[in-house]
Amino acid sequence: AQSVTQLDSHVSVSEGTPVLLRCNYSSSYSPSLFWYVQHPNKGLQLLLKYTSAATLVKGINGFEAEFKKSETSFHLTKPSAHMSDAAEYFCVVSDRDTGRRALTFGSGTRLQVQP
Amino acid sequence: DAGVIQSPRHEVTEMGQEVTLRCKPISGHNSLFWYRQTMMRGLELLIYFNNNVPIDDSGMPEDRFSAKMPNASFSTLKIQPSEPRDSAVYFCASRTSGGASAEQYFGPGTRLTVT
Repeated sequence: AQSVTQLDSHVSVSEGTPVLLRCNYSSSYSPSLFWYVQHPNKGLQLLLKYTSAATLVKGINGFEAEFKKSETSFHLTKPSAHMSDAAEYFCVVSDRDTGRRALTFGSGTRLQVQP
Repeated sequence: DAGVIQSPRHEVTEMGQEVTLRCKPISGHNSLFWYRQTMMRGLELLIYFNNNVPIDDSGMPEDRFSAKMPNASFSTLKIQPSEPRDSAVYFCASRTSGGASAEQYFGPGTRLTVT
């Protein structure tokens, strides 16, 4: 079975400072991992995904994430936060060998960016 | 491409009434997913279709919920009769046949309020 744990429900940073959103996963097989962002009253938008190629994945808007199999982690980072980054972020896992099941979402991390 | 289209964007109805939510996936995508998002339970997968066939409906909460996909460009999620606890945002998503590593594209959601 697959699962995702987002370690922080809320993260608050100042504009211009680094962002770290933590995610740990559990997967029986080789996972695909995603980060999605949801702005208020909007749908979810894909930030980036890992599918067994390079372990450091670059996404949109300056975000990146590193797949660490030994730590079963897929933390999301950004060097410098912008006010427009304030949103909810979801870490998502999909077992490639059990493709019948759809994505498993983490509980989300709400990012606040202070001026 | 217009992306995943959902209608209506907002629905307010009284308890006991029938509610029908609609979704048009991205052209060429052959998998379609219905999710529900609430504060208490986060994002939950309700059902997903592959090539118009329901593959996994284990997330459908009870018999009051039903979903259909009569063709590749249209799906409905129906709640009959509706109850206040069904109030949530319902998302539709679609993806290509790339399997579990293919990202899902989400619609803007339908905010349902049952009074």
